[in-house]
Amino acid sequence: AQSVAQPEDQVNVAEGNPLTVKCTYSVSGNPYLFWYVQYPNRGLQFLLKYITGDNLVKGSYGFEAEFNKSQTSFHLKKPSALVSDSALYFCALYGNNRLAFGKGNQVVVIP
Amino acid sequence: NAGVTQTPKFRVLKTGQSMTLLCAQDMNHEYMYWYRQDPGMGLRLIHYSVGEGTTAKGEVPDGYNVSRLKKQNFLLGLESAAPSQTSVYFCASSSPGPWNTEAFFGQGTRLTVV
Repeated sequence: AQSVAQPEDQVNVAEGNPLTVKCTYSVSGNPYLFWYVQYPNRGLQFLLKYITGDNLVKGSYGFEAEFNKSQTSFHLKKPSALVSDSALYFCALYGNNRLAFGKGNQVVVIP
Repeated sequence: NAGVTQTPKFRVLKTGQSMTLLCAQDMNHEYMYWYRQDPGMGLRLIHYSVGEGTTAKGEVPDGYNVSRLKKQNFLLGLESAAPSQTSVYFCASSSPGPWNTEAFFGQGTRLTVV
């Protein structure tokens, strides 16, 4: 069975510091990985995806993610966090015609 | 430029009542999904559809039914609502993946069953 895990419930970071949100995955075939963000009282918005190719994927709003096959990880990163980045972040894995989501990480950027 | 529209946005039901949530998309997507979001549980897939006239069960299908009579609409029904179905429900649509699987989400329906 395929699954993603987001080991931390909440990530606190000071504004201007690097932000990392962790995701690990389990899949029998090729991993197709995604990051989504959810702002309060809104639906999820696509940030970026890894299908194949370069292990460093760049996405919206200055976010990037690093795919690491040996560690089965797909961590989301941003070099300098903004207060407006405070939101709920979801990692997702595509397979069998569906997206399977992790439980989400609340990111709090402290001014 | 509507994208994915969910109706209604809020609803309060009494235990045992029934209701239908409507999802409409204007992007000609083949795939549509219904998820529920609960604190600490992330998004869990209820049912999904890979095309008009098709439906399939997700992780948590019990107590729900769905229909996809038209490509642009995906209906989620609760025949006899229970307090355990209190949740925020999200509809999403996408093209067949994985290359095109950027799923677009609606704004959500907040359902409370009392």
